[in-house]
Amino acid sequence: NAGVTQTPKFRVLKTGQSMTLLCAQDMNHEYMYWYRQDPGMGLRLIHYSVGEGTTAKGEVPDGYNVSRLKKQNFLLGLESAAPSQTSVYFCASSHAGTSSHTGELFFGEGSRLTVL
Amino acid sequence: KQEVTQIPAALSVPEGENLVLNCSFTDSAIYNLQWFRQDPGKGLTSLLLIQSSQREQTSGRLNASLDKSSGRSTLYIAASQPGDSATYLCAVGPFGNEKLTFGTGTRLTIIP
Repeated sequence: NAGVTQTPKFRVLKTGQSMTLLCAQDMNHEYMYWYRQDPGMGLRLIHYSVGEGTTAKGEVPDGYNVSRLKKQNFLLGLESAAPSQTSVYFCASSHAGTSSHTGELFFGEGSRLTVL
Repeated sequence: KQEVTQIPAALSVPEGENLVLNCSFTDSAIYNLQWFRQDPGKGLTSLLLIQSSQREQTSGRLNASLDKSSGRSTLYIAASQPGDSATYLCAVGPFGNEKLTFGTGTRLTIIP
């Protein structure tokens, strides 16, 4: 039962470098999300996708880009990393839900990114 | 803007005791409230989801209640066990997970 898998789990970058975080889910979920978790703050949504080929901005999208070329994958990119992007990043997925029920969120185990 | 508060930030309880975790929110116009568990170094696991039309949900030893009018939810854990040690987070929002606002969590330690 893989569920939601994130790679890499740890990464150290220098300011200005670029990188991509990969999220893969095997539950055939329509929706996928990228969050960041910082000490003393709740999870904040960066970007999300409601289907293959579509993406949308969340609460804190600046400095990040995303792509959803395949239904099972959601990529988060940092074009020019900054120390403020040091954080733990979580990917999540869910079914679309119905008019009366929100789809349950399933999270990956996180990717810890440090920008020096 | 919705604000979600979880107090206390940390709680230690002897094994076997019943306990209550609190979640308060400022905007009562919510569609659902969700409780999650997070183990150290891990992702979040969904525990209970309460739709706004419901007042409570139960799963095993867990019971979550929702009072929209007062902007409060509680997570009741019966007969606590060391395996219950984790951080518990609540999240509220209108319809759609993309609109959820998360609290910062309560770190629970069950003392054997």
